[in-house]
Amino acid sequence: GDSVTQMEGPVTLSEEAFLTINCTYTATGYPSLFWYVQYPGEGLQLLLKATKADDKGSNKGFEATYRKETTSFHLEKGSVQVSDSAVYFCALSNRGGGADGLTFGKGTHLIIQP
Amino acid sequence: NAGVTQTPKFQVLKTGQSMTLQCAQDMNHNSMYWYRQDPGMGLRLIYYSASEGTTDKGEVPNGYNVSRLNKREFSLRLESAAPSQTSVYFCASSEGHGTIYEQYFGPGTRLTVT
Repeated sequence: GDSVTQMEGPVTLSEEAFLTINCTYTATGYPSLFWYVQYPGEGLQLLLKATKADDKGSNKGFEATYRKETTSFHLEKGSVQVSDSAVYFCALSNRGGGADGLTFGKGTHLIIQP
Repeated sequence: NAGVTQTPKFQVLKTGQSMTLQCAQDMNHNSMYWYRQDPGMGLRLIYYSASEGTTDKGEVPNGYNVSRLNKREFSLRLESAAPSQTSVYFCASSEGHGTIYEQYFGPGTRLTVT
């Protein structure tokens, strides 16, 4: 079945550092890929998405490129802020024509120190 | 727009008790989902409803039932709660079915079964 693997944290960085959170997936066909963010005590919010190979999703300074050859969708940001502290989930959707749910990774807890 | 709302926010049950978690969305979305989030496990799909009048099992449906009451509302029922159902439950909705549609999440219900 489909699966998503992402680095587990916590990942601790200083403010203004460069961020990379790795995500790789296993799926047949052509899934769509997503990054969601969860702030403490809240639900998940969509951060960015990519629906086909070589697409780059971007939002709020975060970027991720859909790499089919390496089955990866790594999240990057050039300069993190304290307000980026949260849990980040990589997810895929791979149901042709159906509305099955998302398959999530286990989440990466990111801590940004001032 | 309130987006996706869930009630209650917190609940404590004794083993064997029953309860219904309520979810509503005001975005005129066709598809709705129930997930559970456990530490170190990411989110796992319990049930989903691709459209009004249909429901289907997800990855972990045992011990749960759902009702798609109308286009706006999708409830999750625990008939006889067990400690293994202690979790945070999230409802989500999406505009349509298919892999390109992103899901919007509610704030969650934290359930403890003693």
